[in-house]
Amino acid sequence: RKEVEQDPGPFNVPEGATVAFNCTYSNSASQSFFWYRQDCRKEPKLLMSVYSSGNEDGRFTAQLNRASQYISLLIRDSKLSDSATYLCVVNGGYGGSQGNLIFGKGTKLSVKP
Amino acid sequence: SQTIHQWPATLVQPVGSPLSLECTVEGTSNPNLYWYRQAAGRGLQLLFYSVGIGQISSEVPQNLSASRPQDRQFILSSKKLLLSDSGFYLCAWRPLLAGDHFGPGTRLLVL
Repeated sequence: RKEVEQDPGPFNVPEGATVAFNCTYSNSASQSFFWYRQDCRKEPKLLMSVYSSGNEDGRFTAQLNRASQYISLLIRDSKLSDSATYLCVVNGGYGGSQGNLIFGKGTKLSVKP
Repeated sequence: SQTIHQWPATLVQPVGSPLSLECTVEGTSNPNLYWYRQAAGRGLQLLFYSVGIGQISSEVPQNLSASRPQDRQFILSSKKLLLSDSGFYLCAWRPLLAGDHFGPGTRLLVL
């Protein structure tokens, strides 16, 4: 089983649509979870951390299910500017600031007018 | 605020040539620094990390090396580049209890 697995997409959705991305991870000891956004030929940028109780930031909602080792990102009212690749990121469970981050290969989103 | 710089932005090098990529961080002291590579069609792979001057940990055996000569400077090097070294090289620093913050990256093409 791959360490962090995501559907590569692409997800092609119209403006205003709601879209959900899923991610599974293999290390049950992982403690930190993130979603990053990466635009074409640019560096990844931290979109949001994922907390155990779930968290929301504007149109973005992240959920964590530790029992199933599953993370999700929901984007409501999609904008053209949301088009990007979304990376699921999990720490290696080693703890501390040295804990390795494991990156998924990303899910590509394309929002059409 | 913290800023991370990388140069050059793009680089085309022949096989067998040396490499030196530089990363500097502003606005923080004693940061944990990381070098990642993103190859085409693959996820980000951690290459090296450093928790302080002169302290380097390597994550994967490879043709590359890293050095940290100053607190806010992290350098990625190679004596002889291989075709497989092509990729997008990203330097990052990590705030406490948060995800990595990346520099703009260097796109390397080895021919």
